[in-house]
Amino acid sequence: GNSVTQMEGPVTLSEEAFLTINCTYTATGYPSLFWYVQYPGEGLQLLLKATKADDKGSNKGFEATYRKETTSFHLEKGSVQVSDSAVYFCALSRNTGGFKTIFGAGTRLFVKA
Amino acid sequence: EAGVTQSPTHLIKTRGQQVTLRCSPISGHTSVYWYQQALGLGLQFLLWYDEGEERNRGNFPPRFSGRQFPNYSSELNVNALELEDSALYLCASSWTTWTDNSPLHFGNGTRLTVT
Repeated sequence: GNSVTQMEGPVTLSEEAFLTINCTYTATGYPSLFWYVQYPGEGLQLLLKATKADDKGSNKGFEATYRKETTSFHLEKGSVQVSDSAVYFCALSRNTGGFKTIFGAGTRLFVKA
Repeated sequence: EAGVTQSPTHLIKTRGQQVTLRCSPISGHTSVYWYQQALGLGLQFLLWYDEGEERNRGNFPPRFSGRQFPNYSSELNVNALELEDSALYLCASSWTTWTDNSPLHFGNGTRLTVT
């Protein structure tokens, strides 16, 4: 079945450090891939998405590239800020006539000043 | 554009009681999804409604139920509350069910505490 695996957290970085959060997936066909972010006390917000192989999604300095050959969608940011502290969820969407969006377990990021 | 709204924001109930949570999707969205987020991290899929019909259900007991109204708003009902039902309940909506690339738009959730 379809599934998403992302690296366990928490991830703790200093401000201006480089961020990578790994995400791999298992799915039939060609799913759409997403990163969502959840700030404390809030619901999830879409951060970026990619809908086909080799697409790069980007937003707010974050990037992720849809790699079909490695079934991966790793999230990266060149220089994190304290305000990036949040929980990040990788997700895939594959409409097989039933359940649509599958989320990874989430990775908590702490950024220290 | 108003986002997804959920009510109430917080709720405290006693074991064995019943609770109803409410969700209004973004205008024009026909699909509504309910998720349970316990321990502040992972999301567990509960229910998916589209055009007033239940389309899919997660691995939860029958005491979790819901419905979608003609205006696409939705209710989640939980009967016979148990301590482990304490969680953040998130509602999400999306434009369409028949493509893969419609992202979900989430509300801020209802925090349910069962004592």
